[in-house]
Amino acid sequence: GENVEQHPSTLSVQEGDSAVIKCTYSDSASNYFPWYKQELGKRPQLIIDIRSNVGEKKDQRIAVTLNKTAKHFSLHITETQPEDSAVYFCAASITHNNNDMRFGAGTRLTVKP
Amino acid sequence: GAGVSQTPSNKVTEKGKYVELRCDPISGHTALYWYRQSLGQGPEFLIYFQGTGAADDSGLPNDRFFAVRPEGSVSTLKIQRTERGDSAVYLCASSRDRNTEAFFGQGTRLTVV
Repeated sequence: GENVEQHPSTLSVQEGDSAVIKCTYSDSASNYFPWYKQELGKRPQLIIDIRSNVGEKKDQRIAVTLNKTAKHFSLHITETQPEDSAVYFCAASITHNNNDMRFGAGTRLTVKP
Repeated sequence: GAGVSQTPSNKVTEKGKYVELRCDPISGHTALYWYRQSLGQGPEFLIYFQGTGAADDSGLPNDRFFAVRPEGSVSTLKIQRTERGDSAVYLCASSRDRNTEAFFGQGTRLTVV
């Protein structure tokens, strides 16, 4: 089955700096890649997703890039703010179906004011 | 309701006991999912319901785990003869259908002592 690896496990940046989180996946048939943000004690929330027919997607300060050949995708957060501090999870899915999603282990991002 | 609701928020039980975890999905969402999130890991898929039926239970780890959704709304995850290794946060999510955004509940933290 699909295996998703995520790096780094923890990331600390200064407010205003950029943060990059990377994920790799094993199944070349995967074609849907969502990212979730989970603040401490709260539920995971979808923040951005990308499908395999595009290489990059941007939404204000966050962007996701996808390299299908290398089977990796990344989350980029620019101009980080303290409220960006959370655990971020990537996921991969073959069918775009939620029951098919396989998650990475998560990255704890800390943005220092 | 406003979001996915899970009860209880915390549950401590003794090894060998039976527990039930409840999930109240967003009204009108036909798809419902259970995930397990161990410390430092991403959510791990357990089971998916479409309406009243379990359309995919491939993630259930063994026959001690069972889930129902008798009326196509509220779901209950049942764990028999609990083991210490069952300790985790159990997340429920729902979506309009299985390839639209899934919304998560805040989870039930289960501790088996």
